[in-house]
Amino acid sequence: EAGVAQSPRYKIIEKRQSVAFWCNPISGHATLYWYQQILGQGPKLLIQFQNNGVVDDSQLPKDRFSAERLKGVDSTLKIQPAKLEDSAVYLCASSKGVGTEAFFGQGTRLTVV
Amino acid sequence: EDQVTQSPEALRLQEGESSSLNCSYTVSGLRGLFWYRQDPGKGPEFLFTLYSAGEEKEKERLKATLTKKESFLHITAPKPEDSATYLCAVQRGSGNTPLVFGKGTRLSVIA
Repeated sequence: EAGVAQSPRYKIIEKRQSVAFWCNPISGHATLYWYQQILGQGPKLLIQFQNNGVVDDSQLPKDRFSAERLKGVDSTLKIQPAKLEDSAVYLCASSKGVGTEAFFGQGTRLTVV
Repeated sequence: EDQVTQSPEALRLQEGESSSLNCSYTVSGLRGLFWYRQDPGKGPEFLFTLYSAGEEKEKERLKATLTKKESFLHITAPKPEDSATYLCAVQRGSGNTPLVFGKGTRLSVIA
């Protein structure tokens, strides 16, 4: 079974530029999450999708971050404009449904300079 | 607000020296407690899910246990390849809620 795919693996941008990350979840997984992990911290939820609907985006900085899940499968996370404090690893995860474990991708390491 | 506190922040063990990692949690109606392992530069890898107090699960040298307030990850006779950051996460019982993670324990096993 293929795992969660993310791209790119690494990205370096200047502050105020825009960037987009892509995620393809495990086939058949209805729930998709985007987490932000700052060095030395645990993952922090940005947004959760159930199929193509948003379940929780309470911690998403909506003035600069946006996310969508196309046709309930792939998802993109965008940052525009980026700030220095956005430097982190962005993790995508998926799960079959309520109460089940989430499986993570390798993450995208973003550096904003 | 759901909270997860892991201790210690870092742990250094000699190969074969058994120990335990702690995860204390505050959550409104626990649906599940999850343990993950994360290697540098990689995403978290699922280890265990525990659903109710008294439950235990084992995998190789790892054993996870759960009480009403905390979970322990026991590592028996660790090897250098067990070196990683171990993350604990909780999921609240109402609705399709996300995992809330602790900061993790960074484990180093020295040969």
